[in-house]
Amino acid sequence: SQKIEQNSEALNIQEGKTATLTCNYTNYSPAYLQWYRQDPGRGPVFLLLIRENEKEKRKERLKVTFDTTLKQSLFHITASQPADSATYLCALADSSYKLIFGSGTRLLVRP
Amino acid sequence: DVKVTQSSRYLVKRTGEKVFLECVQDMDHENMFWYRQDPGLGLRLIYFSYDVKMKEKGDIPEGYSVSREKKERFSLILESASTNQTSMYLCASSKIGTGEETQYFGPGTRLLVL
Repeated sequence: SQKIEQNSEALNIQEGKTATLTCNYTNYSPAYLQWYRQDPGRGPVFLLLIRENEKEKRKERLKVTFDTTLKQSLFHITASQPADSATYLCALADSSYKLIFGSGTRLLVRP
Repeated sequence: DVKVTQSSRYLVKRTGEKVFLECVQDMDHENMFWYRQDPGLGLRLIYFSYDVKMKEKGDIPEGYSVSREKKERFSLILESASTNQTSMYLCASSKIGTGEETQYFGPGTRLLVL
């Protein structure tokens, strides 16, 4: 069956370090993958999109990689700050307009 | 900026009541979605609509219906609320034809069914 997996355990890191979050999927062949940020009690907010033919995408302190052979995406936040603390969701394009979301990984950045 | 608004942030209803959740977007998006989010389960798609009066079932449509009479408005209806429908409900919209289908979410409605 189709599955998207994100680490359910919170990632707890020190301010200034690089946070790396993982998204693994099975039985999909997505055209692209997206990452969203969600703060408590709020809706998710789009961060980055990476296409199947792209290896890496960057936006300021954010970097996303996409390995279609491993069926994995890595999401990096460099020089992390306490304000980066949130839950991060990955999402795969299931069709032309539907997304399938992972359950998210909570990131805690300690000052 | 795209803005998606939901009619209520918090709602308390009794079992058996009919519940209406409304969502409005201001960016002329064709697609609109209703999700529910529960701890450990992530976002699960209830219904989506790709045009006025068009709707398709998502992964968990049982106990819900939807209405899209105008392009900017998408309503979720709980015909007879039950305690297992206590959840966070999120509405989203996206534009067709961008090749990216980024979804823009509302702030969510936290529904408690007693």
